[in-house]
Amino acid sequence: QQQVKQSPQSLIVQKGGISIINCAYENTAFDYFPWYQQFPGKGPALLIAIRPDVSEKKEGRFTISFNKSAKQFSLHIMDSQPGDSATYFCAASAPGRRALTFGSGTRLQVQP
Amino acid sequence: DAGVTQSPTHLIKTRGQQVTLRCSPKSGHDTVSWYQQALGQGPQFIFQYYEEEERQRGNFPDRFSGHQFPNYSSELNVNALLLGDSALYLCASSPVGPAEAFFGQGTRLTVV
Repeated sequence: QQQVKQSPQSLIVQKGGISIINCAYENTAFDYFPWYQQFPGKGPALLIAIRPDVSEKKEGRFTISFNKSAKQFSLHIMDSQPGDSATYFCAASAPGRRALTFGSGTRLQVQP
Repeated sequence: DAGVTQSPTHLIKTRGQQVTLRCSPKSGHDTVSWYQQALGQGPQFIFQYYEEEERQRGNFPDRFSGHQFPNYSSELNVNALLLGDSALYLCASSPVGPAEAFFGQGTRLTVV
C-alpha cells in the first residue's frame, strides 16, 4: 500500500518537445506529492510539489497534473532542454513527520 | 545559507566493518531523514529523527541505527556491513510544519 509506481523507465525527447512522466499511488493517506530531479553523483533536488486540493500546479516550464480519483499524478516539462537531461523521481508522503515514498525513477534524455 | 551537508562524500569499507555517516541539516530545519539509494533505483526511507529521537523507521534491519544531536545534526551508523549495503546514502532535512525535504549530495558507500 506504500508503493508509488512510475513510468516510463526512460524517455528520449527532442529539444523543444514536451516530456511527460507519470506516477500512480495506492495509499489514500498520501497528501503531498513532490517531484525531484537528480543529476549523476548528486542528491535529489526538489523541483515542484502539489497537494491534492488542486488539480494542477505550474512553475516555469514544469507542471504537475493531479487526478485524485484515479490516484495518479504526472510531471510535464515544456520546451525541454538538453540541460533537463537527468533522472526524475516522483514521491509521496502522508501527514505526520513525512517520510517520502519514491517512485523508481525516469531517466530523461533531451536530444539537441 | 548552506544547504544540507554530508560527510564523507565517498567511503570504502570491508564486509563486517562498521561505518558512521554524518549530516548537517539546512539552517532552520529540525527534522533529519536518512535514505538509501541503490544504483538505478529510487531512494528508500531508512529512518527519521526529530527532537533527538527516532520517530519513523522504514524496512531496514537493526544494523542500521542513528542519532540526532541537540544542534539537529545527525549520524547514521551501519554495523556488520554486507556487500548489499553498497549504495548512496542520502540525508534530507525538513523544517517544522512544511513538508518540503531538501537532500544533501549523499555519501557513496562501497563495501568490498
